[in-house]
Amino acid sequence: NAGVTQTPKFQVLKTGQSMTLQCAQDMNHEYMSWYRQDPGMGLRLIHYSVGAGITDQGEVPNGYNVSRSTTEDFPLRLLSAAPSQTSVYFCASRVAGTAYSNQPQHFGDGTRLSIL
Amino acid sequence: AQSVAQPEDQVNVAEGNPLTVKCTYSVSGNPYLFWYVQYPNRGLQFLLKYITGDNLVKGSYGFEAEFNKSQTSFHLKKPSALVSDSALYFCAVYYGGSQGNLIFGKGTKLSVKP
Repeated sequence: NAGVTQTPKFQVLKTGQSMTLQCAQDMNHEYMSWYRQDPGMGLRLIHYSVGAGITDQGEVPNGYNVSRSTTEDFPLRLLSAAPSQTSVYFCASRVAGTAYSNQPQHFGDGTRLSIL
Repeated sequence: AQSVAQPEDQVNVAEGNPLTVKCTYSVSGNPYLFWYVQYPNRGLQFLLKYITGDNLVKGSYGFEAEFNKSQTSFHLKKPSALVSDSALYFCAVYYGGSQGNLIFGKGTKLSVKP
């Protein structure tokens, strides 16, 4: 079982560069989300999606874009990287819908991003 | 506003002793509460959840949590700590209707010494 797969695991960027963090899940989960983890701040929601073609903003969406063209994939794009976006990024997924809101999310192992 | 607080940045426990990691919440309506654990360089792993029913919830690796509605708390407990329990622990509360987003606490680092 692959679960949630994130690539790359590590990345160093220069300020102003763009890149895409990849996330794929093989559990047929409708709900997918991106979080960033910073020391002392826990996990903060960036964007989320409840199904293909549907995305919405979380707590800290500025500087990030997402799209959801398939159920399996939910890439996160940094259009112009800034040092403040240095963080560890986690993708997560679960079954969507009110009846499943009590279901736990499955997390990838993260992408460690450093922006110089 | 919905929120989760973990008042301790770090908890130190000797192996074999009981451990408690504290969590309090603020949420309108009935809460759905979760505990996750994060080992170094890994993603979060689900430990247990409270949805309804018995206030004492049992989860993975011998952990349990006690839901206390009057104190709005959901403390994580284990009767006998292991060195391998050393990790970062996150409490989370569900909010948002059908879309089911989670709000996470800031995390508590648990250190278990031999």
